[in-house]
Amino acid sequence: DAKTTQPPSMDCAEGRAANLPCNHSTISGNEYVYWYRQIHSQGPQYIIHGLKNNETNEMASLIITEDRKSSTLILPHATLRDTAVYYCIVRVDTGRRALTFGSGTRLQVQP
Amino acid sequence: GAVVSQHPSRVICKSGTSVKIECRSLDFQATTMFWYRQFPKKSLMLMATSNEGSKATYEQGVEKDKFLINHASLTLSTLTVTSAHPEDSSFYICSVRGLAVSYEQYFGPGTRLTVT
Repeated sequence: DAKTTQPPSMDCAEGRAANLPCNHSTISGNEYVYWYRQIHSQGPQYIIHGLKNNETNEMASLIITEDRKSSTLILPHATLRDTAVYYCIVRVDTGRRALTFGSGTRLQVQP
Repeated sequence: GAVVSQHPSRVICKSGTSVKIECRSLDFQATTMFWYRQFPKKSLMLMATSNEGSKATYEQGVEKDKFLINHASLTLSTLTVTSAHPEDSSFYICSVRGLAVSYEQYFGPGTRLTVT
């Protein structure tokens, strides 16, 4: 699986959009970009995933650059409950192997 | 998404004792379950892959005789920490993958183990 690089921490004001970047310059053609988050003392939660097109669901939007070497997870209106560690993971879409977690980005939503 | 439960959510045990953690897939059959460990302020580290009806596959550096995994049915996997030591204190999280090829892993709420 391709390596990902994320900033260790970010702050965001409540009600504003939170934009979390992820670099994955070594991504290969059959690898997807996944985002999970982990709220303190809970198990990780799936957010969204994509291959090359931008994706949106009820939780977030995923913007993938045309060269696929980076992506941004967007939480359109961050709330205090969005305070968590966000993990960007790149992997092929077979689901057979376990997800491998990096250090992620600790997002602190400020009131 | 799938519902995964873990029991207990918290456990405190004395050094030298064993403790069992259960992971249940509540709404679909899971041929494969994964066990992770997470130390404070660290990321999740995969410990082992639990396959229904066969022996678990352990990651490098994880002692199979210390962390016993039993995947007895399509809905239940157990992790037993044997002869626990304080350094085994950690947050243990299980995850399930369904029968169909699925890109999503569903995670349990985790079990906080404290060894005194």
